[in-house]
Amino acid sequence: DGGITQSPKYLFRKEGQNVTLSCEQNLNHDAMYWYRQDPGQGLRLIYYSQIVNDFQKGDIAEGYSVSREKKESFPLTVTSAQKNPTAFYLCASSREGQGNSPLHFGNGTRLTVT
Amino acid sequence: AQSVSQHNHHVILSEAASLELGCNYSYGGTVNLFWYVQYPGQHLQLLLKYFSGDPLVKGIKGFEAEFIKSKFSFNLRKPSVQWSDTAEYFCAALSYNTDKLIFGTGTRLQVFP
Repeated sequence: DGGITQSPKYLFRKEGQNVTLSCEQNLNHDAMYWYRQDPGQGLRLIYYSQIVNDFQKGDIAEGYSVSREKKESFPLTVTSAQKNPTAFYLCASSREGQGNSPLHFGNGTRLTVT
Repeated sequence: AQSVSQHNHHVILSEAASLELGCNYSYGGTVNLFWYVQYPGQHLQLLLKYFSGDPLVKGIKGFEAEFIKSKFSFNLRKPSVQWSDTAEYFCAALSYNTDKLIFGTGTRLQVFP
């Protein structure tokens, strides 16, 4: 079955440490996205990538970094500069750019930083 | 600022009741509109979408939504809900002017048998 795999499901880190969240897709989609989901705030876009080796900042990119070295993979690093990193992180992909074709989501990673 | 508003944050219904969840967007011009659903323990998935054509669109599991351009609305409806419809529902809109997809804050629906 094609889909998006996010790992791990739960992640715990100490404040001041960088942490990388994995996202892999086998849907052959060009576009990939990272969203952050907080209670009462919906989904907010962190970064997105339309093609390999290219990515753009979303609405809340500060304190995050990404890479897109392969079409299938779009890892997100939460750096120590992110002021409020505890959240639920969702990775998504789409055949075309955001909003022009439906998004396919992973199951998410819940990050807790203490 | 561009926004998508879902005014119902938490809706509680009994089985067989009718459902209407509100969604309003603040954009002008051409928009693509979506409803996504997140069932407990599952990933977000597409419920239905509107790009153009008939403003009444039908999705999975008996859901439908109507695009009313004059009201900037894309409300989700279902005539008779089931316990299995318990989930969180997100509206999203893309403005062709800005090429930006924005999600609403979500509506949590609880259906009791």
